Amino acid sequence: LAKTTQPISMDSYEGQEVNITCSHNNIATNDYITWYQQFPSQGPRFIIQGYKTKVTNEVASLFIPADRKSSTLSLPRVSLSDTAVYYCLVGADTGRRALTFGSGTRLQVQP
Amino acid sequence: DSGVTQTPKHLITATGQRVTLRCSPRSGDLSVYWYQQSLDQGLQFLIQYYNGEERAKGNILERFSAQQFPDLHSELNLSSLELGDSALYFCASSSGQPNSPLHFGNGTRLTVT
Repeated sequence: LAKTTQPISMDSYEGQEVNITCSHNNIATNDYITWYQQFPSQGPRFIIQGYKTKVTNEVASLFIPADRKSSTLSLPRVSLSDTAVYYCLVGADTGRRALTFGSGTRLQVQP
Repeated sequence: DSGVTQTPKHLITATGQRVTLRCSPRSGDLSVYWYQQSLDQGLQFLIQYYNGEERAKGNILERFSAQQFPDLHSELNLSSLELGDSALYFCASSSGQPNSPLHFGNGTRLTVT
């Protein structure tokens, strides 16, 4: 499974756009990129998934360059409730490989 | 609501004891995953089952074991408990198809005293 690297933490203010980048240099051809959000004492929650280019849903956008060696989660106009840990995961349920999360990015949104 | 149910929500027990954590996956999901998360730590993959069979194994201790039953619910058994086993234990499920997202339960908080 592709190893991922994310910033440990980020700070932002309410109303700003936040971009969190994840590096995954050895991503496999068939791997998708999935982002999860985790609040304290809760299970991670699926945010968005993509394979290439750009994906957008009601919560976020995901930008994936042509080489797919990185991805950027974009959260538009964050609010205090977006304070959480964000994980990117490359590959999902691809057979007999451990599905291992990276360390995640702790986003703190200030008023 | 993810549709994944974990019981109990909280568990307090003493060192040396044995506990069983239970997970009911989302309706229709065939894969079940178990993760351990210690305080302020990341998610440590323990084990995955698919339709009753073990599919992938992480750094799961020999004192820990799991199984997935014919009705697809899963149990994680932790024995000879140590203080360091205190953590949140999460179960997640997915359809089992390649690249299908995981859906997590809200975890069982285990405290070993």
